[in-house]
Amino acid sequence: QSALTQPASVSGSPGQSITISCTGTSSDVGGYNYVSWYRQHPGKAPKLMVYDVSSRPSGVSNRFSGSKSGNTASLTISGLQAEDEADYYCSSYTSSNTLLFGGGTKLTVL
Amino acid sequence: QVQLVESGGGLVKPGGSLRLSCAASGFTFSDYYMSWIRQAPGKGLEWISYISSSGSSIYYADSLKGRFTISRDNAKNSLYLQMNSLRVEDTAVYYCVGMGLWFGDSWGHGTMVTVSS
Repeated sequence: QSALTQPASVSGSPGQSITISCTGTSSDVGGYNYVSWYRQHPGKAPKLMVYDVSSRPSGVSNRFSGSKSGNTASLTISGLQAEDEADYYCSSYTSSNTLLFGGGTKLTVL
Repeated sequence: QVQLVESGGGLVKPGGSLRLSCAASGFTFSDYYMSWIRQAPGKGLEWISYISSSGSSIYYADSLKGRFTISRDNAKNSLYLQMNSLRVEDTAVYYCVGMGLWFGDSWGHGTMVTVSS
């Protein structure tokens, strides 16, 4: 099964908003509301930022929001901060009872 | 607080076997679904396997089915991954992950597995 498609990189200035897309198929992203997003700083374990498309875990800033339209999910980060510079991964449940990740997006805060 | 500590990683020759362990604390382990997820050096995340809270339901990534086996011991608050017929491309950091159904809620720090002759 091919990985979900994410842009390799995105960038933005402090205070701006950016959106990272995650494109799959009707057998994964489009078929279920089980899309999640993770942030990973270099050398660290990933951290859950959004789950079930648009829910935020306790303690995660409301600057992070998720959405989905058709086979594409999106993560929007508003009010960019230096600490947001990291790799971001999306994942989705699939019709094969598996979990599929995107290839990852490197976010640079200019 | 939730703590997941992986162990058992190391250097192994191609074709060899390794058993990873994950010790859980700070939460009711027997209530949680668990997964193993790995990350090759400089690469993205790859889901390996998922086990239900009781161990009655188990799922694997198609590419790994048959070589890797996930298991758990709720009495010992532990998760395991038996890895056989290891290949160079299995070299990665292996994460133990507490699952909230189909998302990774809590992550360990990972254990490095290197497959090399």
